[in-house]
Amino acid sequence: QQQVKQSPQSLIVQKGGISIINCAYENTAFDYFPWYQQFPGKGPALLIAIRPDVSEKKEGRFTISFNKSAKQFSLHIMDSQPGDSATYFCAASVRGYSTLTFGKGTMLLVSP
Amino acid sequence: EAQVTQNPRYLITVTGKKLTVTCSQNMNHEYMSWYRQDPGLGLRQIYYSMNVEVTDKGDVPEGYKVSRKEKRNFPLILESPSPNQTSLYFCASSLYGQGSQYFGPGTRLTVL
Repeated sequence: QQQVKQSPQSLIVQKGGISIINCAYENTAFDYFPWYQQFPGKGPALLIAIRPDVSEKKEGRFTISFNKSAKQFSLHIMDSQPGDSATYFCAASVRGYSTLTFGKGTMLLVSP
Repeated sequence: EAQVTQNPRYLITVTGKKLTVTCSQNMNHEYMSWYRQDPGLGLRQIYYSMNVEVTDKGDVPEGYKVSRKEKRNFPLILESPSPNQTSLYFCASSLYGQGSQYFGPGTRLTVL
């Protein structure tokens, strides 16, 4: 049973455009939702995270939008740059536990 | 520098030859975990450890062993590797109860 569903599997965006990656979860006990960024040949690195007490969190060009009633959250990358080309993973965990449940990842390519 | 290290980074071996992939972290984290990453399947957890001498199975533990004798080290052992264990492996760590995990650089394993 896949508890975090991520879409799309791959995404091509032109430089300067907006990249949007969506995730949906099933377990209502989840209360921490991080996004990880992975460049080729590297391990995933925490990009941005949100807790369900807010509907949006913004850090620079990266924004998480969270819809608790729909059990969905999304990553928006504004003014996408070629350097943003990477694989992005959404994840979820339960408060007080360290174990993360990951989505299957989205390969983003930002064309120059 | 806070980091998770893995060794070796690349390994080619043959079926049935026991191997160990080491993982070490210098952040005094209680929680450590092993993942494998395969195309289209994302990150799947193999084993995790909440503290010294405390380990538990993740989603795909078959064919793997772990031990946690020291807080900083969490080796992954393949007693009798098989070709279906060819994959990219990541070790990660975090403070217990914190969802943000720090990942190592990865170990690419090929079993012939």
